[in-house]
Amino acid sequence: AQSVAQPEDQVNVAEGNPLTVKCTYSVSGNPYLFWYVQYPNRGLQFLLKYITGDNLVKGSYGFEAEFNKSQTSFHLKKPSALVSDSALYFCAVRGGTGFQKLVFGTGTRLLVSP
Amino acid sequence: NAGVTQTPKFQVLKTGQSMTLQCAQDMNHNSMYWYRQDPGMGLRLIYYSASEGTTDKGEVPNGYNVSRLNKREFSLRLESAAPSQTSVYFCASSEVGDRYFEQYFGPGTRLTVT
Repeated sequence: AQSVAQPEDQVNVAEGNPLTVKCTYSVSGNPYLFWYVQYPNRGLQFLLKYITGDNLVKGSYGFEAEFNKSQTSFHLKKPSALVSDSALYFCAVRGGTGFQKLVFGTGTRLLVSP
Repeated sequence: NAGVTQTPKFQVLKTGQSMTLQCAQDMNHNSMYWYRQDPGMGLRLIYYSASEGTTDKGEVPNGYNVSRLNKREFSLRLESAAPSQTSVYFCASSEVGDRYFEQYFGPGTRLTVT
């Protein structure tokens, strides 16, 4: 069975500083990894995904994520945080073959202070 | 394109009452999903429809039923609401239920059962 762990409930960072939101996964076969963001009282929005190829994936709003197969991690990063990045971030994984459901982590709240 | 729409946005039910949550997508997606979001638990899959005419149980199907009315619409029914079903419900869709494709989410329905 596939699973996702987001070890930090909350990450605090000052505006302008780099940010990292951690995600580790467990899946049989090749993993297909996703990051979503949720702003208050809104649905989830897709940020980026890793399917295959380059381990560094670039996405929306200046976010990127690094796939590390040996560490089974897919951390979300941004070089310079903005106050408007404050939101709830979800990592998700899908693996195996055939129709596979997407499994979400429990989410990490990012707070960017001015 | 409206994307994924959900009605209603808010609902308060008494224990034992029934209701149907409506979801529609205009992206010609084949697969549709219903999730519930509870604090500290991330998103949990209730039911999904891999393609028109098929539905399957997800992680937490008890107390719910679904109908894939056509390619656009996927409804979720609570036959006899319980306080444990107080949650935020999200509908999502994707091109196919394959591992490559991201999901698009609706704005959610906030349900309270008293």
